[in-house]
Amino acid sequence: EVRLVESGGVVVQPGGSLRLSCAASGFTFDDYTMHWVRQAPGQGLEWVSLITSDGGFTNYADSVKGRFTTSRDHSKNSLYLQMNSLRSEDTALYFCAKGASAGKELDHWGQGTLVTVSS
Amino acid sequence: QSALTQPASVSGSPGQSITISCTGTSSDVGGYNYVSWYQQHPGKAPKLIIYDVTNRPSGVSTRFSGSKSGNTASLSISGLQAEDEADYYCCSYTSRSTRVFGAGTKVTVL
Repeated sequence: EVRLVESGGVVVQPGGSLRLSCAASGFTFDDYTMHWVRQAPGQGLEWVSLITSDGGFTNYADSVKGRFTTSRDHSKNSLYLQMNSLRSEDTALYFCAKGASAGKELDHWGQGTLVTVSS
Repeated sequence: QSALTQPASVSGSPGQSITISCTGTSSDVGGYNYVSWYQQHPGKAPKLIIYDVTNRPSGVSTRFSGSKSGNTASLSISGLQAEDEADYYCCSYTSRSTRVFGAGTKVTVL
């Protein structure tokens, strides 16, 4: 069974930094593109970033480009999101999601970790 | 990248059929057959229900179906049931190799 468990969400001040983690199990982590998606309170889903299976390619939404960095550690079956220069509009529930094997969809999701940016 | 356009809400009675539209551009929905749909119940993680415009993952009810014409994709739900009450989001691959979600549609079963 695919399992994705996010952690690291806390309350942080504007301008601060934070690293989120996503522990993956139940599938061969090395073989799949992974994504981060966020959902502001009461709002819709917003795609944030992706990293390919070998970590060789990353891509970001314009709203976070230059501030967020996605990485992965195959030895720990973990995905990370380094978040810098945080703004109030980054307040959201952050989900990690597994990419499908052949397609572009996100076929399994974690339950999310809440990041609140507030002074 | 602007969010794909979805109606804010759609409603129907049990047993009826409803359709949710998702409009983008030639750089996303219209340019690729990589539209997926997600169902999200309150307080839960999103669940994939349609991928590659028309395909259903194993275990998803056949009452859900997808289609696309030009820059607009659609999700249809037939035989509406109480358990279908949820938020639905479309998502498309884009020409920049990113993904873009729709703003979401709240489905209410009357």
